[in-house]
Order: sequence, then structure tokens, then C-alpha cells
Amino acid sequence: AQSVTQLDSQVPVFEEAPVELRCNYSSSVSVYLFWYVQYPNQGLQLLLKYLSGSTLVKGINGFEAEFNKSQTSFHLRKPSVHISDTAEYFCAVSESHLPQGGKLIFGQGTELSVKP
Amino acid sequence: DGGITQSPKYLFRKEGQNVTLSCEQNLNHDAMYWYRQDPGQGLRLIYYSQIVNDFQKGDIAEGYSVSREKKESFPLTVTSAQKNPTAFYLCASSIPTGTAYGGYTFGSGTRLTVV
Repeated sequence: AQSVTQLDSQVPVFEEAPVELRCNYSSSVSVYLFWYVQYPNQGLQLLLKYLSGSTLVKGINGFEAEFNKSQTSFHLRKPSVHISDTAEYFCAVSESHLPQGGKLIFGQGTELSVKP
Repeated sequence: DGGITQSPKYLFRKEGQNVTLSCEQNLNHDAMYWYRQDPGQGLRLIYYSQIVNDFQKGDIAEGYSVSREKKESFPLTVTSAQKNPTAFYLCASSIPTGTAYGGYTFGSGTRLTVV
């Protein structure tokens, strides 16, 4: 069965510092990987996705993530964060061979708090 | 603009009452999903539907019911059997896999409070 582990529940960081939000997954088959962002009292918005091809994926708002198959990881990074990046971030995985990707399995979320 | 509309944004319910949360999409997506979100617990799947007139239970379906009579609509009813319904509810939809697959598109959520 698939599972997703976000290794940090909370990540505090100062403005303009780099940040990495860690995500590991478990699956015995090929996967699709996603990062979503959720601002308070809003739905989730797609930041970036990995379906196939280049393992370095660039997304919106200056975020990027790297798919590492051997380490089953998909860590999210940003070289310089802004106050406006304060939000909750969710990593998700689905099995690529299933119709409509099957169900997305979400991690528990990481709260990114950017301080001035 | 295409998207998913959830209504209402805030909903208050008295104990013992059923309440229905609306979810409408104009994205022509086949699949739709309902998630429940509680602080510190991530997203938990309640029900999902991959085609009209068909739906399956998710991980926490007890106390909830759904219908899928139209492709665009997937309403969720929170029944009086749901012991702790106060939560943030998210609806989502998706297309079949392929190069255009983008995971799920989410609505803006409904916050349900039992008073």
C-alpha cells in the first residue's frame, strides 16, 4: 500500500532564507507525485507535479522539487522565502498505472511559518 | 473560468440535524472526491466517485452519504449519525491520467460547525 510521510510537521524560517520541506513515499509501483499549498481557510492549490521525465520539477511561486527514486523522496525547496509563503504544504502520491491515477494519498502536512 | 464551487463557505448545524454540502464543477472532470480536514490530521477521504451514478466509500464514510446524479455535482450529506462533524470539508475533482494529469483540483472548502 502507498503511504506518504512528511518528515516535519512545522518548519519555522526567517524571510529570505532557503527552505526545504521533506517528503518520503512508499510504493511498489510507478508513481505520480505532487505538492500542494493551502492558505488559511482555503482549498489546496497545486504547486508542482512529477509525472515522468526530468526529476527536477519547477512550480509556481519559485518552488521546485526533486524526485529521487532510489531514496523514494520528493523534497520541496525554495531558495528564498517570503512572508507570503506562510501556509500549509501537502505532499501527495498516486499510482500512475491506475485509471485517473487512483486515489491521491496525502501526507499529514507541513506548516511553513516565515518570520520577518 | 472553470473550477469547483463549494457552498456555503460556513455552515452551522444543530446536533441531530442532517446537512448537505454542495460541490459543483464545470471542468468536465469525471472523478470527484470529498475530504475532511481536521487540525493536525491532514486530509481524510470520505467518499469518491469516478463516474455518474457510481461512488465508493473512502476511509471515513460512516455518518456521511453522497449522490452523483450529474457529472457536475457531488453533494455530501452529513447525517446525525456522524459523531463529530465539526470540520473543514474539501471537494475535489480530477481527469484521467496522462500528460495532462494534474492530480486534483480543489474547491475552497466548507467549514461546518455543530452548535
